[in-house]
Amino acid sequence: GQQLNQSPQSMFIQEGEDVSMNCTSSSIFNTWLWYKQDPGEGPVLLIALYKAGELTSNGRLTAQFGITRKDSFLNISASIPSDVGIYFCAGHGSGNTGKLIFGQGTTLQVKP
Amino acid sequence: NAGVMQNPRHLVRRRGQEARLRCSPMKGHSHVYWYRQLPEEGLKFMVYLQKENIIDESGMPKERFSAEFPKEGPSILRIQQVVRGDSAAYFCASSQSEGNSPLHFGNGTRLTVT
Repeated sequence: GQQLNQSPQSMFIQEGEDVSMNCTSSSIFNTWLWYKQDPGEGPVLLIALYKAGELTSNGRLTAQFGITRKDSFLNISASIPSDVGIYFCAGHGSGNTGKLIFGQGTTLQVKP
Repeated sequence: NAGVMQNPRHLVRRRGQEARLRCSPMKGHSHVYWYRQLPEEGLKFMVYLQKENIIDESGMPKERFSAEFPKEGPSILRIQQVVRGDSAAYFCASSQSEGNSPLHFGNGTRLTVT
């Protein structure tokens, strides 16, 4: 089946630094979405991307849908302690079945 | 403006017992998805349901697991004769329509099998 490879697996940064993480696949995805999960809670949608090449921002977060439709990145600018959590990329693959396929996650830790 | 509601939040079962996990989708959403998450891992798709229909169950084990989304009431994920390997967080998500709609997740049920 289709898979998403997310990197890096974990990051430990200083407050105020910018962060970048990405997701790649060997097959085409119709959408790319980025979620954040805090401990003990469910994933929360951050950004949804629907078109190849689309660049979308949500506050300090920016994400892009790669033009090949096989990759996406998420940038966080000027990180703050509450950015700590696990970030997941996800996408709708071929077949338009509605189900989302998830990457393995990037664990972000921010040092005040 | 209630989101996706799951209960219970925590469930402890002994090996061989049954586990029932409930999910009420967001208001106006008729599509429900169940995912499973092991510690330190991503979310693995299990099953996708619309009202009274299973659309895709390709991620659900063939034995002991079943899911339903009746015309009235919440969606239920049922695990019979639980084993220790079933211990995980089970998340429900809902969407407004099929296709490429974003999924909105509940806070999960954490199942522990002793």
